[in-house]
Amino acid sequence: ILNVEQSPQSLHVQEGDSTNFTCSFPSSNFYALHWYRWETAKSPEALFVMTLNGDEKKKGRISATLNTKEGYSYLYIKGSQPEDSATYLCALDRGSTLGRLYFGRGTQLTVWP
Amino acid sequence: ETGVTQSPTHLIKTRGQQVTLRCSSQSGHNTVSWYQQALGQGPQFIFQYYREEENGRGNFPPRFSGLQFPNYSSELNVNALELDDSALYLCASSFVPAGTYEQYFGPGTRLTVT
Repeated sequence: ILNVEQSPQSLHVQEGDSTNFTCSFPSSNFYALHWYRWETAKSPEALFVMTLNGDEKKKGRISATLNTKEGYSYLYIKGSQPEDSATYLCALDRGSTLGRLYFGRGTQLTVWP
Repeated sequence: ETGVTQSPTHLIKTRGQQVTLRCSSQSGHNTVSWYQQALGQGPQFIFQYYREEENGRGNFPPRFSGLQFPNYSSELNVNALELDDSALYLCASSFVPAGTYEQYFGPGTRLTVT
């Protein structure tokens, strides 16, 4: 069984707060790490695909870092807004079957105005 | 939006019945993967189709089967439904070969088995 762990399970913050989540994964057979943002009743939306140790990616107020040697990735949201409320999923790609992803359970973020 | 659609949105079936879920991939994508998300869990890989052939399967029994068609559509079939099959079913399409196989997900089909 391959465990991809995300913490915390849920998070409630005030508008304007900055926040971060963690994704932990086995460091062996690493190929890529995906972050998705998933709003209720919508399709999961790809945020980042990260492949190299030390990678840092940024999209607007959201950024992510990757440490493949110790098996973790952080997702940061600066100045959270109510529209950031969603579930954030990370998924590990080990490069075996073409693009098979191993997902964590997600972090559910609620941003209060 | 990802351009990947799924139908139906919701479905209620009785234990023992059979169900077919449908997915329409992004144009040009030659790979489709199916995932099951049970309540409180992350999505779990069911199987993947590449150029209309099954290309890998997760820990799901043979009563889960699929088809991929040349027109970028695909199906997930589940026979002899069990209560534990109640879940959200997601399909994801991608183009292979590509660097990091970025996958584009549909919104899912919610299946309830009673």
